[in-house]
Amino acid sequence: DAGVIQSPRHEVTEMGQEVTLRCKPISGHNSLFWYRQTMMRGLELLIYFNNNVPIDDSGMPEDRFSAKMPNASFSTLKIQPSEPRDSAVYFCASSLSRVGNTIYFGEGSWLTVV
Amino acid sequence: AQTVTQSQPEMSVQEAETVTLSCTYDTSESDYYLFWYKQPPSRQMILVIRQEAYKQQNATENRFSVNFQKAAKSFSLKISDSQLGDAAMYFCDLPPLVCVGNMLTFGGGTRLMVKP
Repeated sequence: DAGVIQSPRHEVTEMGQEVTLRCKPISGHNSLFWYRQTMMRGLELLIYFNNNVPIDDSGMPEDRFSAKMPNASFSTLKIQPSEPRDSAVYFCASSLSRVGNTIYFGEGSWLTVV
Repeated sequence: AQTVTQSQPEMSVQEAETVTLSCTYDTSESDYYLFWYKQPPSRQMILVIRQEAYKQQNATENRFSVNFQKAAKSFSLKISDSQLGDAAMYFCDLPPLVCVGNMLTFGGGTRLMVKP
């Protein structure tokens, strides 16, 4: 079975440019999470969707970040404009929204903003 | 709010020896689930073991086991017969039942080094 698929795997962009990260969750999963991982702050939950609806986006650092889930099989995380401090690994994860179900992570998108 | 604390930023173990990674947490929930994830250098997070809080029996998965002490809110991971492939970051996770506020659901991680 295909796992959570993220793209791009690696992205290097210049400050001020728009960055779009993409995620395809595991088929049948109805919860989707975007995480950011940095050395300073570890793994942080940015936003959580349930049945394509954003449930909690309080983890999104600022208005430059936005996330959408137009359908059950696709989500995007956009940063506009990007800044060097946005450099991090961004993980998408999905699960069935029942208590105790394992969250499956994608392989991550490595973002470097120079 | 829920918190997860991993007090050991780094640990090292000799190959074939046993090592224990600590995790403490705080939650007001009575029923919850705890997880340990492994993140090798490739960055892919892998589920290691899962513990249901209402079960008194400690979870075990091959060489991995937990010491779950609910009253003390402690959830340590024991790795027996350590192998070179066990070298990775290990994250303790207490997923929230409801996403409320800006919660860091993972502990800070413990980097495990395995010496040959």
